[in-house]
Amino acid sequence: QLQLQESGPGLVKPSETLSLTCTVSGASISSGNYFWGWIRQPPGKGLEWVGSIYYDGRTFYNPSLKSRVTISVDTSKNQFSLKMTSVTATDTAAYYCARTSGSGDYNYWGQGALVTVSS
Amino acid sequence: EIVLTQSPGTLSLSPGERATLSCRASQSVSGNSLAWYQQKPGQAPRLLIYVASTRATGIPDRFSGSGSGTDFTLTISRLEPEDFAVYYCQQYGYSPPHWTFGQGTKVEVK
Repeated sequence: QLQLQESGPGLVKPSETLSLTCTVSGASISSGNYFWGWIRQPPGKGLEWVGSIYYDGRTFYNPSLKSRVTISVDTSKNQFSLKMTSVTATDTAAYYCARTSGSGDYNYWGQGALVTVSS
Repeated sequence: EIVLTQSPGTLSLSPGERATLSCRASQSVSGNSLAWYQQKPGQAPRLLIYVASTRATGIPDRFSGSGSGTDFTLTISRLEPEDFAVYYCQQYGYSPPHWTFGQGTKVEVK
């Protein structure tokens, strides 16, 4: 059974870099025609796609965040990571990692990691 | 960029009633790549429906999806107590790959 687990600091200072890692078990990140993505949700608000990495390493980002976001993969650890620079309070959110099915929908999700941006 | 607009914002219903949720896209959704998710407080979203009308694994048949082009509907035929939650639609665009979510519809107990 595929499982995803987010990890990283729960508190980040304004202007610093948010870093999260998603550890995948039950499947290899580098096999299959799947996207591995990050989706975030500010407290009490809706879902926002942050970006995704394809199994072949290509990355795709939300245009509104593209200048600040980098997604990378470490196949040796079966992990993929999110870095977001120059964070502000508006980046406070639960960050979910997830995997698509073959149809582009996200059918596997991590439990989410709450990241608070505050001094 | 496609914008998804969900209506209503909140739906107040009683258990056993029928729920009809709408998701309208600002332009046609390619390949009917439209999905529906359920989210309960403190939990990750759960996939209910993909490619507009196909139920995901393990989803009860009281959940059904329909629609094409720009207008999509999620119907819950008879609400069970565990169905009261927030529901999101999401579309997948191909070139380049990107994902957009609607703002959500909350189904609450009347």
